[in-house]
Amino acid sequence: NAGVTQTPKFRVLKTGQSMTLLCAQDMNHEYMYWYRQDPGMGLRLIHYSVGEGTTAKGEVPDGYNVSRLKKQNFLLGLESAAPSQTSVYFCASSYPRHEQFFGPGTRLTVL
Amino acid sequence: KNEVEQSPQNLTAQEGEFITINCSYSVGISALHWLQQHPGGGIVSLFMLSSGKKKHGRLIATINIQEKHSSLHITASHPRDSAVYICAVERYDMRFGAGTRLTVKP
Repeated sequence: NAGVTQTPKFRVLKTGQSMTLLCAQDMNHEYMYWYRQDPGMGLRLIHYSVGEGTTAKGEVPDGYNVSRLKKQNFLLGLESAAPSQTSVYFCASSYPRHEQFFGPGTRLTVL
Repeated sequence: KNEVEQSPQNLTAQEGEFITINCSYSVGISALHWLQQHPGGGIVSLFMLSSGKKKHGRLIATINIQEKHSSLHITASHPRDSAVYICAVERYDMRFGAGTRLTVKP
């Protein structure tokens, strides 16, 4: 089993460009999450999903969109990247009320 | 005030020492998580608690729901335990503490 994988691992964008981060899990987990981690701010929840076709906003959703068209995939989109979105992005998945499994992270720089 | 407070922020210990990291929270929760993040960034879940105490090897986690407090203990600490330990509370969403950076010296 690959667990939770994230694509890409690194990306540099210019302000205003768009991109999609892909999270995939092979554990048949219902719940999936997108977090960002910034120095001095810790981990913060961007969006989450409790099942295929459902998504919800987390603590810092502005500037991001998500989709969960298939149970195993959770996509995070940046429509118009801003320097404030420079961060490390982590995806995680879990069964309801169980421990979360984290992906390796995506380091995004917006110039 | 943050909803999840961890202490201490930084902790240096000698190999073999008993370590305690504390987490206090101010909101109602359905569960509390302890995570470990090594240099290089990977995040691993250590425990998920909704009551009582859990033990895994040299790690012990406890939670007191009435006092809104949890502790993570490491017995017989080892340099490989050096990492950032993060407390997170689960409601309908997840909120995280700032983390405790632990350094264990040989």
